[in-house]
Amino acid sequence: QKEVEQNSGPLSVPEGAIASLNCTYSDRGSQSFFWYRQYSGKSPELIMFIYSNGDKEDGRFTAQLNKASQYVSLLIRDSQPSDSATYLCALDTGRRALTFGSGTRLQVQP
Amino acid sequence: EPEVTQTPSHQVTQMGQEVILRCVPISNHLYFYWYRQILGQKVEFLVSFYNNEISEKSEIFDDQFSVERPDGSNFTLKIRSTKLEDSAMYFCASSAGLPANTGELFFGEGSRLTVL
Repeated sequence: QKEVEQNSGPLSVPEGAIASLNCTYSDRGSQSFFWYRQYSGKSPELIMFIYSNGDKEDGRFTAQLNKASQYVSLLIRDSQPSDSATYLCALDTGRRALTFGSGTRLQVQP
Repeated sequence: EPEVTQTPSHQVTQMGQEVILRCVPISNHLYFYWYRQILGQKVEFLVSFYNNEISEKSEIFDDQFSVERPDGSNFTLKIRSTKLEDSAMYFCASSAGLPANTGELFFGEGSRLTVL
């Protein structure tokens, strides 16, 4: 059973629209959830993390967590072509490291 | 801004050879990691290192792999007797504390290993 599942995409949105990226996980013991962005050929970079149920906003980004449904999402408002990348959901499964999903490729069309 | 540095950026080796990938974590960080990403696949955890010893390792991290912190700054990944399937991007990362507590792993730019 996969620990972290994401739709591989590509998710295509027009510039200025809201992009919605979703992630489900299987380990109910997971406490910490992370969204990373990875440009092609580059290393992952952290966008935001969330620990508590509900929404967490940081600029154009909002992370949403629902532990009962084992679901975490990332909303990107006013999407820009520079947001085009693969978005990785990651979580702490109690191990001393993070487990990553396969990522969703986002394409923002100018 | 402090950063994790990795060398080499790209290494090509023959099957069966040994390779050493080097990393300099951020200086005040205490936790160090190696991840790998096979082309087109997800980022996979290999090993974490704390207080001069392995604290966690995945099923991928078998006897072919070893890690070492030979001095106060470097953190190395050794791959013995490389196989074709070891071809991947290897990322080093470091963090000030456990990811669950501090929220962020800082990744290096990666070392691309190509095994021929």
